[in-house]
Amino acid sequence: EAQVTQNPRYLITVTGKKLTVTCSQNMNHEYMSWYRQDPGLGLRQIYYSMNVEVTDKGDVPEGYKVSRKEKRNFPLILESPSPNQTSLYFCASSLNGGNYGYTFGSGTRLTVV
Amino acid sequence: QKEVEQDPGPLSVPEGAIVSLNCTYSNSAFQYFMWYRQYSRKGPELLMYTYSSGNKEDGRFTAQVDKSSKYISLFIRDSQPSDSATYLCACSNYKLTFGKGTLLTVNP
Repeated sequence: EAQVTQNPRYLITVTGKKLTVTCSQNMNHEYMSWYRQDPGLGLRQIYYSMNVEVTDKGDVPEGYKVSRKEKRNFPLILESPSPNQTSLYFCASSLNGGNYGYTFGSGTRLTVV
Repeated sequence: QKEVEQDPGPLSVPEGAIVSLNCTYSNSAFQYFMWYRQYSRKGPELLMYTYSSGNKEDGRFTAQVDKSSKYISLFIRDSQPSDSATYLCACSNYKLTFGKGTLLTVNP
């Protein structure tokens, strides 16, 4: 089944403790992206990647890091999480940028206390 | 002004009603237009996709794009309780920009 898989689904952590949210896709898509979704603010792009070793900032990149060492994987790293990063995070992949839409994962609900 | 504006609702309708969901956008460079459906505690899923102006129909769903007025719509005919979800419009000129979503509830 074609899908984007993120882990974990739920995560509670403390301020300052580094964490990684993993994302993997099995559709051989070139493009991958991370979004956060917050009430009243909608979906906002954090980072995106056009191919292996090629990444760029989205609209809200502060406090996040990404890497794309393999085509199928695109982990999101929070090196020093803060409470304002409490949010619902989605990984997504696409064959050709945003023009044909993204396939989304099921989401990771992160709480930073 | 936000690039993509969408009335957040919520919108509540009886089963069988025709639902109209709408968005406006400001960026004339947008060429691709999409509607996503998001069920509670799930990721958004692509529902309808349209290139440039015009209509596209898929079963009970019809997407309309009017580039002259920068207005996009999604119509749901014979709405069902299973259509209860948040609907997000999205526009793209390579970069995808989302509206904030409209919460729809279809009551049996």
